[in-house]
Amino acid sequence: EDKVVQSPLSLVVHEGDTVTLNCSYEVTNFRSLLWYKQEKKAPTFLFMLTSSGIEKKSERLSSILDKKELSSILNITATQTGDSAIYLCAGYTGTASKLTFGTGTRLQVTL
Amino acid sequence: KAGVTQTPRYLIKTRGQQVTLSCSPISGHRSVSWYQQTPGQGLQFLFEYFSETQRNKGNFPGRFSGRQFSNSRSEMNVSTLELGDSALYLCASSFKQAGVGTGELFFGEGSRLTVL
Repeated sequence: EDKVVQSPLSLVVHEGDTVTLNCSYEVTNFRSLLWYKQEKKAPTFLFMLTSSGIEKKSERLSSILDKKELSSILNITATQTGDSAIYLCAGYTGTASKLTFGTGTRLQVTL
Repeated sequence: KAGVTQTPRYLIKTRGQQVTLSCSPISGHRSVSWYQQTPGQGLQFLFEYFSETQRNKGNFPGRFSGRQFSNSRSEMNVSTLELGDSALYLCASSFKQAGVGTGELFFGEGSRLTVL
């Protein structure tokens, strides 16, 4: 059965800190690894990674996929209170065309 | 460009009733997937539709069903509601056909179902 595990489950940081969120996956016929940000409503798309390496969404957000280790990290530098959210990692399998989500990391950024 | 639209946004039902949720995908998207989100289980895949055909189904009982119309709009139905069905039901749409794309799904804001 496909599985995605995220860590830590939650963390609290001060504004300006750097955080690293972890994701490991076991997904059959793996196609891609996706990161979403969920505040109060719908998850919003952040990254899609299909090959090992670094993807950068902005100056502060970046993600790395390591297909050898079956893992990914999401880095947020110079955190802001607006970064407070649940960050979801999901593996996409082309066979069943579905996303398998981790339970998420709840990030709280305080002043 | 309008996003994924789900209705109703909130609803309350009692055990044994049934419920129908609706999802209108982004214009031009032909794939619609449904997910259930609960605090304990996180986001879990229910089913996916493409061109009016169910392509994949998650590990949910037969009480959960869905369909897709020719305009790509989709509905899901839950019959004989149980307390454990209380959740946020999220619909996601994608342009690329099932099994071909790389998973970039766009989510609606969800329908929050409470079963009393």
